[in-house]
Amino acid sequence: SQQGEEDPQALSIQEGENATMNCSYKTSINNLQWYRQNSGRGLVHLILIRSNEREKHSGRLRVTLDTSKKSSSLLITASRAADTASYFCATDGGGNKLTFGTGTQLKVEL
Amino acid sequence: DAGVIQSPRHEVTEMGQEVTLRCKPISGHDYLFWYRQTMMRGLELLIYFNNNVPIDDSGMPEDRFSAKMPNASFSTLKIQPSEPRDSAVYFCASRPTGTGPSNQPQHFGDGTRLSIL
Repeated sequence: SQQGEEDPQALSIQEGENATMNCSYKTSINNLQWYRQNSGRGLVHLILIRSNEREKHSGRLRVTLDTSKKSSSLLITASRAADTASYFCATDGGGNKLTFGTGTQLKVEL
Repeated sequence: DAGVIQSPRHEVTEMGQEVTLRCKPISGHDYLFWYRQTMMRGLELLIYFNNNVPIDDSGMPEDRFSAKMPNASFSTLKIQPSEPRDSAVYFCASRPTGTGPSNQPQHFGDGTRLSIL
């Protein structure tokens, strides 16, 4: 079963704009991870945020985590056409497994 | 560094045939995961191994599905007999054991796109 629900399901923006995706989950976690999937390819890990962290940055990516609300957001700043992909959150509940969300399809137009 | 390698990339076969999907994890990774991705159900974990031993196969949909990991560098997922509803993209992923309580990120192969006619 999928723990993470992502919002929006699809997002279309212009190059240079920021893209924000949200993830909600149901149970307690050790960490939350974000992955990107390009069409026809496997998932690629982007960033991991631990349960005791509130915000993390990596290049143009900014992730926030609110464990009281059981939610996370991924912000991509100054988006590029190459950022077009599906983005998934995945929760690590400490049992060796990840539970993936439903994903957000991002399209960045020139 | 070679990533996770899956073969074949595409497989089209008729209902009732046996299908074998293959995966070579990243060297040194002692966890291996098999997932299935469909539009309707998203990404589902089928089974995972630790040090070549199956740990949790609760996601395997039916007895028609089986997975093996005979050594640290090779795993197979077999469907026998195959059915049209098995059509999906099957991913293999691997990761190393972490040093703390958090699990390390997983590294995914590019998947096998399976079509059962």
